[in-house]
Formats: sequence, C-alpha cells, structure tokens
Amino acid sequence: DTEVTQTPKHLVMGMTNKKSLKCEQHMGHRAMYWYKQKAKKPPELMFVYSYEKLSINESVPSRFSPECPNSSLLNLHLHALQPEDSALYLCASSQVSLGGNQPQHFGDGTRLSIL
Amino acid sequence: AQTVTQSQPEMSVQEAETVTLSCTYDTSENNYYLFWYKQPPSRQMILVIRQEAYKQQNATENRFSVNFQKAAKSFSLKISDSQLGDTAMYFCAFMDYTGTASKLTFGTGTRLQVTL
Repeated sequence: DTEVTQTPKHLVMGMTNKKSLKCEQHMGHRAMYWYKQKAKKPPELMFVYSYEKLSINESVPSRFSPECPNSSLLNLHLHALQPEDSALYLCASSQVSLGGNQPQHFGDGTRLSIL
Repeated sequence: AQTVTQSQPEMSVQEAETVTLSCTYDTSENNYYLFWYKQPPSRQMILVIRQEAYKQQNATENRFSVNFQKAAKSFSLKISDSQLGDTAMYFCAFMDYTGTASKLTFGTGTRLQVTL
C-alpha cells in the first residue's frame, strides 16, 4: 500500500474544463512534489513545495496551478489544458534535511486524458 | 544541469538468474545521491536502493546491490535471484539539492522482463 495517496486515479476532461488533482500524505514529510510522466518516458519534475512554500517551478505553463494548503496536502489545479497535457501525474513527498538526501516516496499517480 | 544515461532500453532475464542494469551520469558536484527506482505496470514508483557519493562502500538491499564507480560516474544495479515480481521499468536517478529543495533527474529507464 502506498503512503502517498492520489485522487482521482483516472480523469478525463475537455479543454475548457477546470479540475483538480489531489495528493495526501501522513508521513510528516515537509517537501512535496508534482511530476509529469508521458508514456514510456521518465517522470519530469514540475513543482516542489518545501514547508508549504513553492520552492521550484520548472517553467510549467500557467494552466497548471499548484497549491499546498497544509503540510499533508498538495493540489494541482488544471484549467484550459491541451491534448499534449495528457499524461500520468505523479505526486511525491520526502523529509527535508540539510543536503537534501532524503528519498522521495511516490503515489500511484493520476492518469489524465484531455479530449 | 545533471544528465543521467541508461543505455539499455530493454533487458530480459530468466527467473533465479542475475542481471545488471547500467547507468552513467554527468555532474560537476562532489557530493550527491543516486537512486534506483522501479515502476511496475501498477504505475507506482518504488525506491529500490540509494547510494551516497561520499561513501565508497556499495549499497546493498537484500537481492539488490549497486556497483558505484565515482571516478567513472557509473552506478549499475545488480539483481540477484531474479523473481517474476521484479518485472518492471527501472529508473536510475540523480538527486540535486538547491539549498531549499531537492530535485530528482531520471534516466530514460530500462524495461526488465523476468521470464520462467
């Protein structure tokens, strides 16, 4: 069983819809991450939150809007997505430490399809 | 920017045999961390093993071990006594620390098939 829970597992939406992806962890981790993974490709980092503050934005288009309302929860708000945004979206969390050597723990992902 | 290269897109091994997956990376850092993750068809990325660059001793986790060659920037994964459940995509990853957060850069992956 994964300790990082992502909902929904599957999402189909039109290009004009607004939806949100949710990620939750109760391991006391203070760093949370969003990755995008296209088929047969490695995950690519999108955003990093550290202590509920956005630390890294890998030049992600503004149609993706992350939110970290508390230390256990991470959301990804979606609006006006394009067909090329169809992918598996993975959430991960880790402890924060000097030197950043803590491994990241991943959820099962949300498979997103844009019509 | 760090780069991670996995030169074997696909590999196959028979059950109970040993297989080695290769990984090379490029960095100018002296202290860093390397990981192997597996991703079965169930999609979840599962941590297999990690290595701290300042440690000369190779990491071992049960049937999984690494051969870490810092000078050669090589980080291979050896799976002993392969099991059907080892069938998965294996990603080598380099961890970068920016001072406020850590970043993982993944290789392109090796698809491992364990056969009877």
